[in-house]
Amino acid sequence: ELQLVESGGGLVQPGRSLRLSCEASGFTFDDYAMHWIRQVPGKGLEWISGLTWDSRKIVYADSVKGRFTISRDNAKSSLYLQMNSLRTEDTAVYYCAKDISPNSGNFFDSWGRGIQVTVSS
Amino acid sequence: DIQMTQSPATLSASVGDRVTITCRASQSIGRSLAWYQHKPGKAPKLLMFRASALDSGVPSRFSGSVSGTEFTLTISSLQPDDFATYYCQQYNSYSLSFGQGTKLEIK
Repeated sequence: ELQLVESGGGLVQPGRSLRLSCEASGFTFDDYAMHWIRQVPGKGLEWISGLTWDSRKIVYADSVKGRFTISRDNAKSSLYLQMNSLRTEDTAVYYCAKDISPNSGNFFDSWGRGIQVTVSS
Repeated sequence: DIQMTQSPATLSASVGDRVTITCRASQSIGRSLAWYQHKPGKAPKLLMFRASALDSGVPSRFSGSVSGTEFTLTISSLQPDDFATYYCQQYNSYSLSFGQGTKLEIK
């Protein structure tokens, strides 16, 4: 069974850093691009970053560019999101999602259940 | 960046009703649009891609269409399990984007 399980969330002060992880199982991880998507409380979904199977192409939303870094370790079937200079507006549930192809820029056929990140002093 | 404008924000309906949700793209995206269903505390679920292709296992009461930059998701006869929030998502560019969501509530 395909599974995506996020971890690493929690409460953090503004300006600090946090690293999210997403562990994948049930499929060949390095055959697919992967993404991070978030949902701010009371708001809709926001795509924030994606990368190709080989990490050669990485794209960020303007809202996180320069502060967040997406990466992957295919040997560990894991996706990561390093979040620096966190702001209160980064408070959200963060989801990892699987692309339908090795190349990014598509839609998502599997999602994790999400992990809460709260940025507050 | 491509903006997706989804309407209505909230829709109240009854079991058995036919409902339609609309998503408009700020520029041409061809048929590069997906629809998702999201229930609280759960992972979003892919319903449809390429504007009208149902994902595996999605009931045939769900359908999609496109006219220019306007996309519609139709549920022909609402079932109790269909009450959720629905999102459209464009994938015409590497910078992906979602509509604001439509919360489908029980009337």
